[in-house]
Amino acid sequence: DGGITQSPKYLFRKEGQNVTLSCEQNLNHDAMYWYRQDPGQGLRLIYYSQIVNDFQKGDIAEGYSVSREKKESFPLTVTSAQKNPTAFYLCASRPQGASGRARYNEQFFGPGTRLTVL
Amino acid sequence: RKEVEQDPGPFNVPEGATVAFNCTYSNSASQSFFWYRQDCRKEPKLLMSVYSSGNEDGRFTAQLNRASQYISLLIRDSKLSDSATYLCVVNEKKSSGDKLTFGTGTRLAVRP
Repeated sequence: DGGITQSPKYLFRKEGQNVTLSCEQNLNHDAMYWYRQDPGQGLRLIYYSQIVNDFQKGDIAEGYSVSREKKESFPLTVTSAQKNPTAFYLCASRPQGASGRARYNEQFFGPGTRLTVL
Repeated sequence: RKEVEQDPGPFNVPEGATVAFNCTYSNSASQSFFWYRQDCRKEPKLLMSVYSSGNEDGRFTAQLNRASQYISLLIRDSKLSDSATYLCVVNEKKSSGDKLTFGTGTRLAVRP
């Protein structure tokens, strides 16, 4: 089955520790995205990558880092510099280069990781 | 002003009711528009894209008014399974790639 996987589903960490969230997709999508969602707020973009070995900061990149060494993988590291890391983290992917009908801009989301920093 | 604003909700309606959600966006350069559905503690999933001429998918109808920068979603004959949060999403094309901006969502609860 094609899809996006995120692991783990729930993650607990102590304050001050770095933690890396996994995101893998086998949809052959070029673009990948990381969002965080807090209660009562919309999804906010952390980082995104259009192609391998390239990525850009989103709206709330401070305290996060990413890498894109392979097309299938886009891990997110939440560093100790992130002041309020407890949130629901969602990874998404989208085919690149398609134009025309809006349907081609659909982003497919992974199941998410709930990070709690104690 | 928020980039994408939605009705605050929650909407609490009986089965069979018709319910409408509204959404406004601030960037007139926005190019494409979507409604996503998000169930509690799950990831968002695309419900439908919104086309300029309006479009329908079964019980769901989406409308776009570019002049007013307004998007709507109409759900007819509500089912219990329609209970979820509905996210209005707007796409802008930037030189660095497409950027989706999400509204905070409108929660719908359909009661028996």
